[in-house]
Amino acid sequence: DAKTTQPNSMESNEEEPVHLPCNHSTISGTDYIHWYRQLPSQGPEYVIHGLTSNVNNRMASLAIAEDRKSSTLILHRATLRDAAVYYCILRDSSTNAGGTSYGKLTFGQGTILTVHP
Amino acid sequence: GAVVSQHPSWVICKSGTSVKIECRSLDFQATTMFWYRQFPKQSLMLMATSNEGSKATYEQGVEKDKFLINHASLTLSTLTVTSAHPEDSSFYICSARGIQGPVEQFFGPGTRLTVL
Repeated sequence: DAKTTQPNSMESNEEEPVHLPCNHSTISGTDYIHWYRQLPSQGPEYVIHGLTSNVNNRMASLAIAEDRKSSTLILHRATLRDAAVYYCILRDSSTNAGGTSYGKLTFGQGTILTVHP
Repeated sequence: GAVVSQHPSWVICKSGTSVKIECRSLDFQATTMFWYRQFPKQSLMLMATSNEGSKATYEQGVEKDKFLINHASLTLSTLTVTSAHPEDSSFYICSARGIQGPVEQFFGPGTRLTVL
């Protein structure tokens, strides 16, 4: 699986936007970019994923660079409940006549996000 | 999102005993389930992947005879830690992916295993 690089930690203030960067310079054309987050003593939670275009959902936005070698997870207004470890993961895929299959989710060290009141 | 449960949420056992952890997909059928392990201050490490009705595929370095995985139905997978030792103390997390192939993979809340 292709590797990702994230800052070890970031801090934000409540109600402010947060931009969490991820570098993935060795990404291949079939790799999806996934973001998960993990609150203390809980299992990871899906946040968002994308392939080439920017994506928005109720939790966050994902901005993908044109060359796909980096991406940014955007939390538009951070809350205290957003304090977690955020993981940027590349997941390969393959498509054939039977449909699309996806590779394993391999977690790196992630970014510890601290949100200050 | 879909719900994945684990039972028990925590367990304390004596060294040498076996412990079984259950993972259930509550509102979808999971063709593939994954088991991860997470030590304190570390990231999740994939232990094995199991497809319903098939033998699990273990990651390199994970002892298949020590960590027994059963995925007998589309909603249940179990992980049995046999002859547990203190070094097996960890946070075990299961994950499930559905038949329809949603891209997202859903995770359970984790089971904290402490071996005395």
